[in-house]
Formats: sequence, structure tokens, C-alpha cells
Amino acid sequence: GENVEQHPSTLSVQEGDSAVIKCTYSDSASNYFPWYKQELGKGPQLIIDIRSNVGEKKDQRIAVTLNKTAKHFSLHITETQPEDSAVYFCAASKMMAGGFKTIFGAGTRLFVKA
Amino acid sequence: DAGITQSPRYKITETGRQVTLMCHQTWSHSYMFWYRQDLGHGLRLIYYSAAADITDKGEVPDGYVVSRSKTENFPLTLESATRSQTSVYFCASNDMGQLNTEAFFGQGTRLTVV
Repeated sequence: GENVEQHPSTLSVQEGDSAVIKCTYSDSASNYFPWYKQELGKGPQLIIDIRSNVGEKKDQRIAVTLNKTAKHFSLHITETQPEDSAVYFCAASKMMAGGFKTIFGAGTRLFVKA
Repeated sequence: DAGITQSPRYKITETGRQVTLMCHQTWSHSYMFWYRQDLGHGLRLIYYSAAADITDKGEVPDGYVVSRSKTENFPLTLESATRSQTSVYFCASNDMGQLNTEAFFGQGTRLTVV
């Protein structure tokens, strides 16, 4: 069935280093790929998204790349800071009759060590 | 304040009891969702609603009932709670037009079934 695989499940980096989280999706009809950050005790919050007609998008220290051929997209965080420590979820979404369908990855717990 | 709020934040109930989780949004978003979050599974869709009086099953609907008599409210009921329904539940909403867009999540309800 349709799924989104996310790796790694846990990532530990030193403050100032870069962090990369990778996701692979199975449904080629997916056309919207959001990334959510979830801090402890809170709901997920969008940090960046990309649509299928774009290969890369950047917002300050955060960037997302999309390879439609490989059905692969990645989140890149540069110059990591302790406040980047959280759980990150990728998702793949497609429009369908009567609405849309979004499937989430299992999440990556990022630790940034000061 | 505007936004999406869930209540209660924490709930402990006994096996077999009926319990209702509440969700309220102030944006008049057309779409509302219920997800459950379990370790290793990310966010899994239970039910969603495209508008008042329109609801549809998600990935894991068994044991749950929803209703949407008003646009702003989307309660989730566990008719006879089981231990396997111990989880963190998130309500979300968005205003889908012609494009799929980000979802806005509530702060979550941690439900424990004993």
C-alpha cells in the first residue's frame, strides 16, 4: 500500500553541525510534501513545504529537496541550535476525488548537543 | 484566542468506558482531522471531515466514531475504550481550496486506557 519511509529514526548532532533527514514515498501521484516539527508536549507545526513542480526550497537555515523520479525528499538543517531539538515528520500528500490524502513518516527525533 | 484547541489534555479511563475527545477551531476551516500518534508509527489518520455533516474514514477508524454538526467542532468518541487505544490524539484542520496545504494541529490529548 501507500507509505512514507523516514530515516533515521534518531539523529544526534553537535551544535553548529548540519542535520539531514530523508523520506521516500511510494505514491507517484503525491504532489505536496510538508515537514512538521513537534516539540515536547505540543502538536506538530509546519516548518517548510515543497510542491512537486519545485526541486528545492530554502528558508533561512532550513531547506528541502525533492527528487520526483526517485520519489525521495529530504530536510536539511544547517548550523543546528539546541532549540532545533524536536521530532520531525515528513509527509506526502495528493489530491483525490472528494478531498486529499496525506501520509506521514514515522518521525525522526533530533538531538542537538550544546 | 483564534486557533485549534483540544480538551481534555489528559484523560485516564477504564476499559469498556465511552470517552469523547473534543476539538474546536476558530478559523472556519472546512477540513478537520483526527490522528493518533504512537511510537514507531508517526501520525495515523482516524477520521476526517470535509465539511459539516460530511465525515469519512481514515487509516485506523475501528472503535472510533465522529460527528460534525458544526463547522468548528469535531468530537471523537471511543465507544468502548480498549487498552490498544492508549495513545496521544491530535486534532487538525486546514482550509483546502484547489491545492492541498498545511494542517494546523491542536496540542494533543494524552489518553490512557487502564
